[in-house]
Amino acid sequence: GAVVSQHPSWVICKSGTSVKIECRSLDFQATTMFWYRQFPKQSLMLMATSNEGSKATYEQGVEKDKFLINHASLTLSTLTVTSAHPEDSSFYICSASSRGRLVGYTFGSGTRLTVV
Amino acid sequence: KQEVTQIPAALSVPEGENLVLNCSFTDSAIYNLQWFRQDPGKGLTSLLLIQSSQREQTSGRLNASLDKSSGRSTLYIAASQPGDSATYLCAVMSGGSNYKLTFGKGTLLTVNP
Repeated sequence: GAVVSQHPSWVICKSGTSVKIECRSLDFQATTMFWYRQFPKQSLMLMATSNEGSKATYEQGVEKDKFLINHASLTLSTLTVTSAHPEDSSFYICSASSRGRLVGYTFGSGTRLTVV
Repeated sequence: KQEVTQIPAALSVPEGENLVLNCSFTDSAIYNLQWFRQDPGKGLTSLLLIQSSQREQTSGRLNASLDKSSGRSTLYIAASQPGDSATYLCAVMSGGSNYKLTFGKGTLLTVNP
């Protein structure tokens, strides 16, 4: 079945630094990937839609200059949290699909970001 | 704007009990509905996917139903086991560009031995 690999699984960084999270589709090509964040006991909130070879589409309220998304190939999308602050601490999850709505989405294992 | 609600927020049952988790959504114009399982600090595992034209899907002890017109879905778990303890998330895929998913807040299930 479709597998999405996400790493790192957890990261601790100092306030003001940048952190890059990778999301890879291992056995299929994904023209579209999605990035979510999840706060404790809350639902997953879509941050942005990553399209291969073009700019990402950000949801309302998400700062595109703070959360940089790059989707340079059909199997890799990256999310960079720039100038991280403690309020950026959260659980970030990516997802992808090989055939969109027909088969649903496969999710990565998530990244726990803690900014100190 | 699509909104997804899951009831109850938490559920604790003894091992062996059958249980039902509920999911409702406000906009019935969906492509599909997906149930996921999330263990603490982990990603999401897809359990069942129901296309908008379908009424139910089954996998092992799990059965999910969909009533698109009323905006409801249920996840039935038979003969629950302690290993079923997790958060169960319901998500609907709506129309428009890029087929976005909208999630509910989940139901935290605890199955006691």
